[in-house]
Amino acid sequence: DAGVIQSPRHEVTEMGQEVTLRCKPISGHNSLFWYRQTMMRGLELLIYFNNNVPIDDSGMPEDRFSAKMPNASFSTLKIQPSEPRDSAVYFCASSTGTLGSNQPQHFGDGTRLSIL
Amino acid sequence: ILNVEQSPQSLHVQEGDSTNFTCSFPSSNFYALHWYRWETAKSPEALFVMTLNGDEKKKGRISATLNTKEGYSYLYIKGSQPEDSATYLCACPNAGNNRKLIWGLGTSLAVNP
Repeated sequence: DAGVIQSPRHEVTEMGQEVTLRCKPISGHNSLFWYRQTMMRGLELLIYFNNNVPIDDSGMPEDRFSAKMPNASFSTLKIQPSEPRDSAVYFCASSTGTLGSNQPQHFGDGTRLSIL
Repeated sequence: ILNVEQSPQSLHVQEGDSTNFTCSFPSSNFYALHWYRWETAKSPEALFVMTLNGDEKKKGRISATLNTKEGYSYLYIKGSQPEDSATYLCACPNAGNNRKLIWGLGTSLAVNP
């Protein structure tokens, strides 16, 4: 039973470049979450999709960040242009529940992003 | 946005010791509490989701209790093993229409062999 699959696992790129992170949720899960983890703030929710529709993007830091979910099995998080302060681990998670429900979230292994 | 706090921030115990740590949250408008275990270089793994006051859940040597009236949950590990070393996170859905999970900063547990 495949879990949440994220790619790439690691990304190192120069400031100003476009970065695209990818996520395949668990089949049958109708909610998808993008998180960013930093030492100072812990896990921060960036955006939440339910049935492929973005429901809450209040955590997206600024216009340089965008996310899409074209179908139930794929989502992308894009940063353009990237900046050094975007360096963090980005997690994707999926769930059978809606935002804040009593269903657990299942996390991918994360993408460790370093912007030089 | 509610505040979820965990204590202690870090903990070092010897193999075989039992230990516990706390997650505190506002008791008003409680909906659910999530506990996750996060090993270094891995992803957070769900342990428990608790919703009822007085609820107690158990998974092997790990158990959790919930007090929604006073706004806290305890996570207990009985007979800690080195493989229990991880960061333990709790999270609560925010009150109101925006129910995104608000995460604590975690308790980092190190079990020395």
